[in-house]
Amino acid sequence: GENVGLHLPTLSVQEGDNSIINCAYSNSASDYFIWYKQESGKGPQFIIDIRSNMDKRQGQRVTVLLNKTVKHLSLQIAATQPGDSAVYFCAETEEGYQKVTFGIGTKLQVIP
Amino acid sequence: DAGVIQSPRHEVTEMGQEVTLRCKPISGHNSLFWYRQTMMRGLELLIYFNNNVPIDDSGMPEDRFSAKMPNASFSTLKIQPSEPRDSAVYFCASSFGWTSGYNEQFFGPGTRLTVL
Repeated sequence: GENVGLHLPTLSVQEGDNSIINCAYSNSASDYFIWYKQESGKGPQFIIDIRSNMDKRQGQRVTVLLNKTVKHLSLQIAATQPGDSAVYFCAETEEGYQKVTFGIGTKLQVIP
Repeated sequence: DAGVIQSPRHEVTEMGQEVTLRCKPISGHNSLFWYRQTMMRGLELLIYFNNNVPIDDSGMPEDRFSAKMPNASFSTLKIQPSEPRDSAVYFCASSFGWTSGYNEQFFGPGTRLTVL
């Protein structure tokens, strides 16, 4: 399963460099923002989430930044590796709800 | 754990035929989600269940689509009759809990449906 199409934004990054994937969201009421990674032929896989009362959260090699003023979310991947090549989706949901709205995705290509 | 299991992985059928997609959620999870992914519309939530009860089916395209969850370990998504525009990858996902915060959804490998 993949979301590859003519309109899918693509980011090409040299192996070892840092990657920054951006996402704009629309629902001011969203309480949680999530990043998912989807490799070719597989289902989406959870990477990291952030609550709306935070502006930064770090995981292993990944950092998510949230700017509620401009409704912008970003995922930073440090020292990008070939295994990071995938489509990355941002998603949002509201407290107490389980319905998650996914963005269109960004394809990350890591150049060896 | 084997993760979320979906079957079949690939399905090719002719327009007008009935299609049944199957899902086995992760043991212990009490929420189950059906998604559809296409190039044009991305990843869309069709329906989700909590404790085997359908909670929100507003994403189901039309009456041709139906989903059931007869028990905690099995769910089906049925399309009858199928149409070429139903061609997509269908994902099932499951999660545990309905607590505050985000409950991570674990996705299955998907079923790639092609309707000729």
